[in-house]
Amino acid sequence: GAGVSQSPRYKVAKRGQDVALRCDPISGHVSLFWYQQALGQGPEFLTYFQNEAQLDKSGLPSDRFFAERPEGSVSTLKIQRTQQEDSAVYLCASSLAGGGRDEKLFFGSGTQLSVL
Amino acid sequence: GDSVTQMEGPVTLSEEAFLTINCTYTATGYPSLFWYVQYPGEGLQLLLKATKADDKGSNKGFEATYRKETTSFHLEKGSVQVSDSAVYFCARGSNSNYKLTFGKGTLLTVNP
Repeated sequence: GAGVSQSPRYKVAKRGQDVALRCDPISGHVSLFWYQQALGQGPEFLTYFQNEAQLDKSGLPSDRFFAERPEGSVSTLKIQRTQQEDSAVYLCASSLAGGGRDEKLFFGSGTQLSVL
Repeated sequence: GDSVTQMEGPVTLSEEAFLTINCTYTATGYPSLFWYVQYPGEGLQLLLKATKADDKGSNKGFEATYRKETTSFHLEKGSVQVSDSAVYFCARGSNSNYKLTFGKGTLLTVNP
């Protein structure tokens, strides 16, 4: 597609449920990023993939968060046993090359997760 | 660690007014600086960037100058339009890699 696509757009989960958030990056983009944006805050880095390799997961807040990109294109962010503090907008971004410091990121519209 | 402090919003202006949104960053190293914009219902889009001191980024009538002496990267536009209504995020890059640190965002509303 023309841009980064994320699904679902909205997700409501009961506390303790597992959720899976999908990201379709721009075709051919090597790098893929996940960011978490809490209400009233700026996005915060979660994790980074270069092709299928997860090179950085330093921003994942707990071991309940898991991300994968098995074929180097679509990525899934999974949150196990969701808690209320996981409520946020989850943003996916991709870039053409290897994630250098000046590289332009293309963001999806995000998935808004609400945990009740 | 890296941080970005951005002018609190919301900001409401009339069409053709002058816009300034302040942004300062932590001074460690020589980061690249960015302004991203998020229009309603859309993803963040890169508006402009500057990669070294005294560089000026510009796009769509918006400008920001990388000021190392004041660790600032203020966004300006001489005459805003209704279509500029959006949330604006200031961000700094890491000194070595891909990570971005964002400010909290500033909601701009431009009235006709």
